[in-house]
Amino acid sequence: QVQLQESGPGLVRPSETLSLTCTVSGGSISTYYWSWIRQPPGKGLEWIGYVYSSGSTNYNPSLKSRVTISIDTSKNQFSLNLRSVTVADTAVYYCARLVGAAPPSYFNCWGQGTLVAVSS
Amino acid sequence: QSALTQPASVSGSPGQSITLSCTGTSSDVGTYNYVSWYQHHPGKAPKLMIYEVNNRPSGISSRFSGSKSGNTASLTISGLQAEDEADYYCSSYAGSSTLVVFGGGTKLTVL
Repeated sequence: QVQLQESGPGLVRPSETLSLTCTVSGGSISTYYWSWIRQPPGKGLEWIGYVYSSGSTNYNPSLKSRVTISIDTSKNQFSLNLRSVTVADTAVYYCARLVGAAPPSYFNCWGQGTLVAVSS
Repeated sequence: QSALTQPASVSGSPGQSITLSCTGTSSDVGTYNYVSWYQHHPGKAPKLMIYEVNNRPSGISSRFSGSKSGNTASLTISGLQAEDEADYYCSSYAGSSTLVVFGGGTKLTVL
């Protein structure tokens, strides 16, 4: 049973970088796509981007200029860096496994989410 | 404003059937048969209920079914149970650049 767990600071200052890590347990991180998704308070879900086990990435065009997602297969972890944050980046951040035949289009395993607030 | 439109709330009584709607455009729901549905109990990890319009993952009750017509996808829950009370989100593939878009979610209340 694969489990995902997000970790990282719950508070980030405006203009700084939001950094989160997702640890995958109960299975290998290899040969899958791994995504970050967020949900601002009172709003819907937003896909941020994914990283494949090879290290290739794809990002939401609306966030592409500020996002980097990386993977460390030796630690079974992948990470999110979101630069130059503003209060609009306050959200619950989820990590999830992206699956499906080409194209991969749905998420069959999610973390519980972690709330990150952007505030001075 | 979410890319896909879902009613904010729906309610039903135990044993009833209810249908949740998810309306997109010809750029997502209307073109691709890659609609998925997620159940979310607050504080817990979201759970995949339906993928690729009408497929259930292993372990998901047959009371949950999905369909699509034009730009609108639907999730039907039959024999409503108390534990079905949750938030439900739809998602659709929207092309290789945007990848997936989500709805704003529907809060299902079991009366």
